[in-house]
Amino acid sequence: DAGITQSPRYKITETGRQVTLMCHQTWSHSYMFWYRQDLGHGLRLIYYSAAADITDKGEVPDGYVVSRSKTENFPLTLESATRSQTSVYFCASSERTGLLAQHFGDGTRLSIL
Amino acid sequence: QKEVEQNSGPLSVPEGAIASLNCTYSDRVSQSFFWYRQYSGKSPELIMSIYSNGDKEDGRFTAQLNKASQYVSLLIRDSQPSDSATYLCAVTGANSKLTFGKGITLSVRP
Repeated sequence: DAGITQSPRYKITETGRQVTLMCHQTWSHSYMFWYRQDLGHGLRLIYYSAAADITDKGEVPDGYVVSRSKTENFPLTLESATRSQTSVYFCASSERTGLLAQHFGDGTRLSIL
Repeated sequence: QKEVEQNSGPLSVPEGAIASLNCTYSDRVSQSFFWYRQYSGKSPELIMSIYSNGDKEDGRFTAQLNKASQYVSLLIRDSQPSDSATYLCAVTGANSKLTFGKGITLSVRP
């Protein structure tokens, strides 16, 4: 089924560990985004990518790393996880940024102990 | 800091009533406006987009945009219990980035 897929859906890890969240889309959308959603803050943009090999910071990029070697994949890595990074992470994609809506994956619920 | 503000909730309406959800934004050059619905534990789902002043209707949903007053609203007619969810307003600013409001939780009482 075409769409946007995130994995894993749930992850528990410990502080200091490296964690990678995966995002894969089959629409061939140029733009991909990573958000985190926390109570009291809503959805906040971490990083986004306009095309393969083009990435840029969002509102809350510290502690995260992204890459985009292929159009369809946009992994998000927490290099040394901290408790403050416990959150629900959503990946989204869009054919064009700005004018067209973004479509979201099912999310990854990440808990850092 | 560009902001998107949604009226405080939660909002509770009886089944069959009209639910009115409001959103204001601070970036005067915003171009695109979206309403997303998010059920508990699920991802945001696009329900309406609007780009020009006026009303846009889609079934029981009507989005209203007033760029001069910098607000966008969502009306849900004949509200159903299945409409109970959190509604997120999202606005695209001059930098082409989407900014989300914190959302308002709607509860439709049977």
